Amino acid sequence: GAGVSQSPRYKVAKRGQDVALRCDPISGHVSLFWYQQALGQGPEFLTYFQNEAQLDKSGLPSDRFFAERPEGSVSTLKIQRTQQEDSAVYLCASRTGYNSPLHFGNGTRLTVT
Amino acid sequence: ILNVEQSPQSLHVQEGDSTNFTCSFPSSNFYALHWYRWETAKSPEALFVMTLNGDEKKKGRISATLNTKEGYSYLYIKGSQPEDSATYLCAWSNFGNEKLTFGTGTRLTIIP
Repeated sequence: GAGVSQSPRYKVAKRGQDVALRCDPISGHVSLFWYQQALGQGPEFLTYFQNEAQLDKSGLPSDRFFAERPEGSVSTLKIQRTQQEDSAVYLCASRTGYNSPLHFGNGTRLTVT
Repeated sequence: ILNVEQSPQSLHVQEGDSTNFTCSFPSSNFYALHWYRWETAKSPEALFVMTLNGDEKKKGRISATLNTKEGYSYLYIKGSQPEDSATYLCAWSNFGNEKLTFGTGTRLTIIP
Protein backbone atom coordinates (compact mmCIF):
# COMPACT_ATOMS: atom_id res chain seq x y z
CA GLY A 1 0.00 0.00 0.00
CA ALA A 2 1.01 3.66 -0.31
CA GLY A 3 3.30 4.88 2.42
CA VAL A 4 4.30 8.39 3.45
CA SER A 5 5.66 10.26 0.46
CA GLN A 6 8.06 13.20 0.67
CA SER A 7 9.31 15.44 -2.10
CA PRO A 8 11.79 16.41 -3.25
CA ARG A 9 14.23 13.71 -2.08
CA TYR A 10 17.13 16.11 -2.41
CA LYS A 11 17.20 19.89 -2.47
CA VAL A 12 20.18 22.17 -2.88
CA ALA A 13 19.48 25.81 -2.07
CA LYS A 14 21.69 28.85 -2.10
CA ARG A 15 21.86 30.71 1.18
CA GLY A 16 18.99 33.15 1.37
CA GLN A 17 16.63 31.19 -0.88
CA ASP A 18 13.21 29.99 0.25
CA VAL A 19 12.39 26.27 0.07
CA ALA A 20 9.19 24.25 0.39
CA LEU A 21 9.20 20.60 1.40
CA ARG A 22 6.13 18.47 0.83
CA CYS A 23 4.74 15.53 2.78
CA ASP A 24 1.89 13.30 1.64
CA PRO A 25 0.86 11.14 4.64
CA ILE A 26 -0.90 7.79 4.61
CA SER A 27 -4.57 8.32 3.82
CA GLY A 28 -6.67 8.52 6.97
CA HIS A 29 -3.75 9.26 9.30
CA VAL A 30 -4.85 12.00 11.66
CA SER A 31 -1.48 13.01 13.09
CA LEU A 32 1.43 14.33 11.06
CA PHE A 33 4.89 15.17 12.40
CA TRP A 34 7.96 16.96 11.05
CA TYR A 35 11.44 16.16 12.34
CA GLN A 36 14.86 17.55 11.49
CA GLN A 37 17.87 15.26 11.58
CA ALA A 38 21.36 16.72 11.50
CA LEU A 39 24.34 14.49 10.77
CA GLY A 40 25.10 12.15 13.68
CA GLN A 41 22.05 13.20 15.67
CA GLY A 42 18.66 11.69 16.31
CA PRO A 43 15.54 13.21 14.76
CA GLU A 44 14.67 16.52 16.45
CA PHE A 45 10.98 17.40 16.75
CA LEU A 46 9.84 20.44 14.78
CA THR A 47 6.05 20.46 14.80
CA TYR A 48 2.93 18.30 14.61
CA PHE A 49 -0.63 18.46 13.35
CA GLN A 50 -3.82 16.74 14.29
CA ASN A 51 -5.86 17.00 11.11
CA GLU A 52 -5.43 20.62 10.03
CA ALA A 53 -4.69 21.96 13.50
CA GLN A 54 -1.06 22.64 14.36
CA LEU A 55 -1.01 21.58 18.01
CA ASP A 56 2.67 21.98 18.81
CA LYS A 57 5.25 24.06 16.98
CA SER A 58 7.67 24.37 19.85
CA GLY A 59 10.49 22.72 17.90
CA LEU A 60 10.57 25.16 14.99
CA PRO A 61 14.05 26.73 15.36
CA SER A 62 13.15 30.24 14.19
CA ASP A 63 10.39 32.28 12.60
CA ARG A 64 11.93 31.41 9.23
CA PHE A 65 10.30 27.98 9.59
CA PHE A 66 6.63 27.60 8.86
CA ALA A 67 4.45 24.51 8.43
CA GLU A 68 0.90 24.08 7.26
CA ARG A 69 -1.62 21.33 6.61
CA PRO A 70 -4.62 23.27 5.34
CA GLU A 71 -6.95 20.39 4.48
CA GLY A 72 -5.72 17.88 7.03
CA SER A 73 -3.82 15.73 4.56
CA VAL A 74 -0.78 17.03 2.63
CA SER A 75 1.61 19.18 4.65
CA THR A 76 4.27 21.65 3.57
CA LEU A 77 7.27 22.77 5.57
CA LYS A 78 8.59 26.11 4.35
CA ILE A 79 11.94 27.56 5.22
CA GLN A 80 12.53 31.19 4.34
CA ARG A 81 15.95 32.78 3.77
CA THR A 82 17.76 29.47 4.23
CA GLN A 83 20.98 29.41 6.24
CA GLN A 84 23.79 26.84 6.22
CA GLU A 85 22.70 25.52 9.62
CA ASP A 86 19.38 24.51 8.02
CA SER A 87 21.22 21.75 6.10
CA ALA A 88 19.73 18.48 7.39
CA VAL A 89 17.39 15.64 6.54
CA TYR A 90 13.76 16.63 7.08
CA LEU A 91 11.58 13.68 8.01
CA CYS A 92 7.81 13.56 7.88
CA ALA A 93 5.80 10.91 9.71
CA SER A 94 2.14 10.16 10.18
CA ARG A 95 0.07 7.90 12.39
CA THR A 96 -3.52 6.99 13.14
CA GLY A 97 -3.54 7.90 16.82
CA TYR A 98 -1.82 8.28 20.15
CA ASN A 99 -0.79 4.65 20.71
CA SER A 100 0.18 3.97 17.13
CA PRO A 101 3.70 3.84 15.70
CA LEU A 102 4.96 6.55 13.37
CA HIS A 103 5.16 5.79 9.65
CA PHE A 104 8.03 7.73 8.14
CA GLY A 105 8.71 9.01 4.66
CA ASN A 106 12.15 8.73 3.07
CA GLY A 107 13.00 12.28 4.03
CA THR A 108 14.20 15.33 2.13
CA ARG A 109 17.93 16.03 2.32
CA LEU A 110 18.40 19.80 2.23
CA THR A 111 21.84 21.22 1.52
CA VAL A 112 22.30 24.98 1.81
CA THR A 113 25.40 26.29 0.03
CA ILE B 1 17.23 11.93 33.22
CA LEU B 2 15.81 14.97 31.46
CA ASN B 3 16.23 13.74 27.92
CA VAL B 4 16.24 10.51 25.95
CA GLU B 5 19.66 8.87 25.95
CA GLN B 6 20.82 5.76 24.14
CA SER B 7 23.92 3.68 24.73
CA PRO B 8 26.19 2.65 23.31
CA GLN B 9 26.41 5.08 20.39
CA SER B 10 27.77 2.35 18.15
CA LEU B 11 28.37 -1.35 18.38
CA HIS B 12 30.09 -4.00 16.25
CA VAL B 13 28.86 -7.53 16.78
CA GLN B 14 29.96 -10.80 15.20
CA GLU B 15 27.31 -12.57 13.14
CA GLY B 16 25.53 -15.14 15.27
CA ASP B 17 26.22 -13.34 18.57
CA SER B 18 23.46 -11.81 20.66
CA THR B 19 23.50 -8.18 21.74
CA ASN B 20 21.51 -5.57 23.61
CA PHE B 21 21.43 -1.82 24.06
CA THR B 22 19.75 0.70 26.30
CA CYS B 23 17.35 3.61 26.09
CA SER B 24 16.99 5.89 29.14
CA PHE B 25 14.14 8.38 29.41
CA PRO B 26 12.40 10.62 31.96
CA SER B 27 10.35 8.41 34.29
CA SER B 28 7.85 11.09 35.33
CA ASN B 29 4.60 11.46 33.43
CA PHE B 30 5.51 8.57 31.11
CA TYR B 31 3.09 7.63 28.34
CA ALA B 32 4.84 5.53 25.67
CA LEU B 33 8.20 4.28 24.49
CA HIS B 34 8.82 3.46 20.82
CA TRP B 35 11.66 1.55 19.13
CA TYR B 36 12.51 2.07 15.45
CA ARG B 37 15.04 0.49 13.11
CA TRP B 38 16.60 2.74 10.48
CA GLU B 39 18.53 1.07 7.70
CA THR B 40 20.73 3.13 5.38
CA ALA B 41 18.85 4.63 2.43
CA LYS B 42 15.48 3.61 3.89
CA SER B 43 12.98 5.26 6.20
CA PRO B 44 12.76 4.42 9.92
CA GLU B 45 10.57 1.39 10.56
CA ALA B 46 8.63 0.81 13.76
CA LEU B 47 9.59 -2.20 15.87
CA PHE B 48 7.63 -1.75 19.10
CA VAL B 49 5.30 0.62 20.93
CA MET B 50 5.33 -0.01 24.67
CA THR B 51 3.16 1.64 27.30
CA LEU B 52 3.00 -0.55 30.41
CA ASN B 53 5.67 -0.96 33.09
CA GLY B 54 7.13 -4.46 32.83
CA ASP B 55 6.00 -4.81 29.22
CA GLU B 56 7.98 -7.23 27.07
CA LYS B 57 7.51 -7.36 23.31
CA LYS B 58 8.99 -9.72 20.75
CA LYS B 59 9.27 -9.71 16.95
CA GLY B 60 11.25 -12.65 15.60
CA ARG B 61 14.78 -12.45 17.04
CA ILE B 62 14.27 -8.96 18.45
CA SER B 63 12.68 -8.25 21.82
CA ALA B 64 12.34 -5.29 24.15
CA THR B 65 11.60 -4.69 27.82
CA LEU B 66 10.31 -1.61 29.59
CA ASN B 67 10.81 -0.22 33.10
CA THR B 68 8.85 3.00 33.43
CA LYS B 69 9.57 3.48 37.16
CA GLU B 70 13.31 3.75 36.64
CA GLY B 71 13.10 5.08 33.08
CA TYR B 72 14.82 2.56 30.85
CA SER B 73 14.16 0.10 28.06
CA TYR B 74 16.41 -2.62 26.65
CA LEU B 75 16.40 -3.89 23.09
CA TYR B 76 17.76 -7.41 22.56
CA ILE B 77 18.80 -9.07 19.31
CA LYS B 78 19.38 -12.80 19.42
CA GLY B 79 21.68 -14.50 16.90
CA SER B 80 22.60 -11.33 14.95
CA GLN B 81 22.39 -11.45 11.17
CA PRO B 82 23.90 -9.03 8.61
CA GLU B 83 20.43 -7.64 7.88
CA ASP B 84 20.26 -6.43 11.49
CA SER B 85 22.85 -3.76 10.66
CA ALA B 86 21.02 -0.47 11.18
CA THR B 87 20.59 2.44 13.56
CA TYR B 88 18.15 1.66 16.35
CA LEU B 89 16.22 4.66 17.69
CA CYS B 90 14.04 4.91 20.74
CA ALA B 91 11.49 7.67 21.30
CA TRP B 92 9.52 8.70 24.40
CA SER B 93 6.29 10.57 24.91
CA ASN B 94 4.55 11.84 28.04
CA PHE B 95 0.93 12.36 28.99
CA GLY B 96 -0.88 15.16 27.32
CA ASN B 97 1.53 15.56 24.43
CA GLU B 98 1.70 13.53 21.24
CA LYS B 99 5.23 14.71 20.57
CA LEU B 100 7.80 11.89 20.46
CA THR B 101 11.32 12.79 21.63
CA PHE B 102 14.02 10.66 20.03
CA GLY B 103 17.41 9.56 21.29
CA THR B 104 20.49 9.83 19.09
CA GLY B 105 20.38 6.12 18.28
CA THR B 106 22.63 3.08 18.54
CA ARG B 107 24.40 2.25 15.29
CA LEU B 108 24.75 -1.54 15.03
CA THR B 109 27.11 -3.20 12.56
CA ILE B 110 27.09 -6.97 12.18
CA ILE B 111 30.44 -8.42 11.12
CA PRO B 112 30.02 -11.48 8.85
